[in-house]
Amino acid sequence: KAGVTQTPRYLIKTRGQQVTLSCSPISGHRSVSWYQQTPGQGLQFLFEYFSETQRNKGNFPGRFSGRQFSNSRSEMNVSTLELGDSALYLCASSLGTNSGNTIYFGEGSWLTVV
Amino acid sequence: DAKTTQPTSMDCAEGRAANLPCNHSTISGNEYVYWYRQIHSQGPQYIIHGLKNNETNEMASLIITEDRKSSTLILPHATLRDTAVYYCIAGSRAGGTSYGKLTFGQGTILTVHP
Repeated sequence: KAGVTQTPRYLIKTRGQQVTLSCSPISGHRSVSWYQQTPGQGLQFLFEYFSETQRNKGNFPGRFSGRQFSNSRSEMNVSTLELGDSALYLCASSLGTNSGNTIYFGEGSWLTVV
Repeated sequence: DAKTTQPTSMDCAEGRAANLPCNHSTISGNEYVYWYRQIHSQGPQYIIHGLKNNETNEMASLIITEDRKSSTLILPHATLRDTAVYYCIAGSRAGGTSYGKLTFGQGTILTVHP
């Protein structure tokens, strides 16, 4: 079956702009999580959504937001982009019904802020 | 989530078993141990996870000590394509608020040599 799909794969934005990234989870998965990966900070958890509700949140400023739709697809938005937001943004999905559920990652969206 | 400690790097000869250790001495009784790997520029790939018992799948085996303070990931016959960063994660607490949240450390860079 299809894996976690993220779009776009690569994008370049200018400081001050905003960006929206999209994630389609594995069919049947209701939990979608987002992560940011940078060389300096490594992989960091942003937030997790389940049944259209944010269930868990990491330590990121309010410029980072997300939402989940009724079909479990998710989007994350970053407003007022800063150079430091340049990163690989990863989406992960799981059934979300049990903490032992396997979590699968997509290939990520590479964001460059100039 | 419990903190994990892994060696920064390891080498392995192709065809030999690769044994990657992980220390998670502060793990709580209901936290799972997850292993992922990441090849440069790709999303983390799920390998295996377990709670108390040893686990085996088509990719690897996971050996968890009886006191659960450490574990070892075993790749039985390493190939050049197994060269990657391997992450050991203790988290996603059963029944808690950590659904979808994996706390990544710096991981172990495994290099498989011909």
